[in-house]
Amino acid sequence: ETGVTQTPRHLVMGMTNKKSLKCEQHLGHNAMYWYKQSAKKPLELMFVYSLEERVENNSVPSRFSPECPNSSHLFLHLHTLQPEDSALYLCASSQDWIAATGSGELFFGEGSRLTVL
Amino acid sequence: GQNIDQPTEMTATEGAIVQINCTYQTSGFNGLFWYQQHAGEAPTFLSYNVLDGLEEKGRFSSFLSRSKGYSYLLLKELQMKDSASYLCAFHGSNYQLIWGAGTKLIIKP
Repeated sequence: ETGVTQTPRHLVMGMTNKKSLKCEQHLGHNAMYWYKQSAKKPLELMFVYSLEERVENNSVPSRFSPECPNSSHLFLHLHTLQPEDSALYLCASSQDWIAATGSGELFFGEGSRLTVL
Repeated sequence: GQNIDQPTEMTATEGAIVQINCTYQTSGFNGLFWYQQHAGEAPTFLSYNVLDGLEEKGRFSSFLSRSKGYSYLLLKELQMKDSASYLCAFHGSNYQLIWGAGTKLIIKP
């Protein structure tokens, strides 16, 4: 199995829908991340979980709601999104929370391409 | 503040050498990464530099000059599969990862 798996790979939703993105890592890592990637823009860190505790929330609108039920799974719940939220949402993991250790490599999933109509 | 800059797009010829530059500004530097991202795929780790100098890994090398706030990724013997975006990111103050917007590299036969 690949290290970090994201589902669905593609999602189209209306502004009033509720959907969820799922991420699963098979690497035994302690930290998991949600990033937003828009065309020609830097990766935007949205949320970080370390040992299942949320440790960073970078001013993300409340229409995005993360959930980390265990160290292997991470969800991003979506509701009443806006068209400008259309982007690639990348999940990543690292052995430990990078901001705490000062080092470490991120392992990314292939992303969920979200289109909001 | 902290910022980072890299070219938006570069074109090179198969078999040639290309250098992708990355410049950054920060009050606290704790290492610099390069990632490769093929279209529609996950970014994958290429290199990490925390000290000045050149790190070589096969056809890819990464260079860092902390005093100049400058790094480059050097790709030799270019292959068509090297067509991808290359993301530069550094660990700044509080070890936050600051990402560049990526350089799209186009390889022509």
